[in-house]
Amino acid sequence: GQNIDQPTEMTATEGAIVQINCTYQTSGFNGLFWYQQHAGEAPTFLSYNVLDGLEEKGRFSSFLSRSKGYSYLLLKELQMKDSASYLCAALFLSGAGSYQLTFGKGTKLSVIP
Amino acid sequence: SQTIHQWPATLVQPVGSPLSLECTVEGTSNPNLYWYRQAAGRGLQLLFYSVGIGQISSEVPQNLSASRPQDRQFILSSKKLLLSDSGFYLCAWDVQAGGEQFFGPGTRLTVL
Repeated sequence: GQNIDQPTEMTATEGAIVQINCTYQTSGFNGLFWYQQHAGEAPTFLSYNVLDGLEEKGRFSSFLSRSKGYSYLLLKELQMKDSASYLCAALFLSGAGSYQLTFGKGTKLSVIP
Repeated sequence: SQTIHQWPATLVQPVGSPLSLECTVEGTSNPNLYWYRQAAGRGLQLLFYSVGIGQISSEVPQNLSASRPQDRQFILSSKKLLLSDSGFYLCAWDVQAGGEQFFGPGTRLTVL
């Protein structure tokens, strides 16, 4: 299977900026998703990157470098409600032509006052 | 608008007992349907996916099975639960493979 690596936990202060990194194997790579998951709840979609560069959506931005197998999620002006797990998921195209979405283990972000 | 339902929300079952989790989607036709398991400290693991009625693909060999008796219904089953089956089970759908997936509220299963 494909390895998706992201830090297990991070802590940041309310109002600050935090960057959550994700690396993946580049073979067959087709796109990268970020999901937010609050404790005990289902993941919800945040962003999707298929081309290199930065995609900005309000306080959240996501960056992708296809050649480096690297992405990050940037959260600005942190709020307490941003405390959650952030899941990196990479989409791979198999040799048989089917898509496979592989999730990382998630980064648990704790926002402190 | 599209919605996805899962039940039950929580379940506590003894080892060796059967299991049936149900997922239904409203507001869309011919969705791709997925079953994931999220165990403590582990990422989302894809268990099964289905591109149509009666079409099931298994990603991980295990004592679970899935069925899709109707276009918008996806069922996860087991004849005999193991302790290792404990986890958070999520159903998801998308319209186009490789697109954004929408997750149901999940079922938290504890096997004792």
